Amino acid sequence: GAGVSQSPSNKVTEKGKDVELRCDPISGHTALYWYRQSLGQGLEFLIYFQGNSAPDKSGLPSDRFSAERTGGSVSTLTIQRTQQEDSAVYLCASSLTGTGGSPLHFGNGTRLTVT
Amino acid sequence: GESVGLHLPTLSVQEGDNSIINCAYSNSASDYFIWYKQESGKGPQFIIDIRSNMDKRQGQRVTVLLNKTVKHLSLQIAATQPGDSAVYFCAESVTGNQFYFGTGTSLTVIP
Repeated sequence: GAGVSQSPSNKVTEKGKDVELRCDPISGHTALYWYRQSLGQGLEFLIYFQGNSAPDKSGLPSDRFSAERTGGSVSTLTIQRTQQEDSAVYLCASSLTGTGGSPLHFGNGTRLTVT
Repeated sequence: GESVGLHLPTLSVQEGDNSIINCAYSNSASDYFIWYKQESGKGPQFIIDIRSNMDKRQGQRVTVLLNKTVKHLSLQIAATQPGDSAVYFCAESVTGNQFYFGTGTSLTVIP
């Protein structure tokens, strides 16, 4: 079946511009996560959605970052007034359920470059 | 935040040998652990998981060992192949809600 889909796969933007990154999770998965991965680094947690519960935003690095999940499915991560330090790969993952432990299934990420 | 670290940042093995990748975790309350493989330009790919009520789990050519006493996780890959070359991450979570990842170990298989 289809996996997690992210778009665009690459995004180059100028410093100060806003960007929107999209994630289509696996159908039926109730949990959705966003992570950020800098070159040669591990995964940095950003935000987590579980069903209709309020999202866990504890990983968002600043108020320039926001995310929403519409209809319990598609999610968009928005970065306002981008800075060079925002350059990274943004990974989205979904899982069947956030409780009880089920594995995350990742997309291939959006590589963001801020010039 | 959580601390999930790997003992060896790089590992080189001969094709056909067994590989062992280690991971230390800090939260004794973590009850679910996953190993991921990440190839260049791709997202992490699920390999195997284990819950805290187990100390060993086997998959195809892979075995995960969990030692809760010393908070240590390892991934064993049998008969390592060139296609196993990648970065391997361990991840831990409490009740499966939020996952914390280590920085990864780069595995290189020498033909």
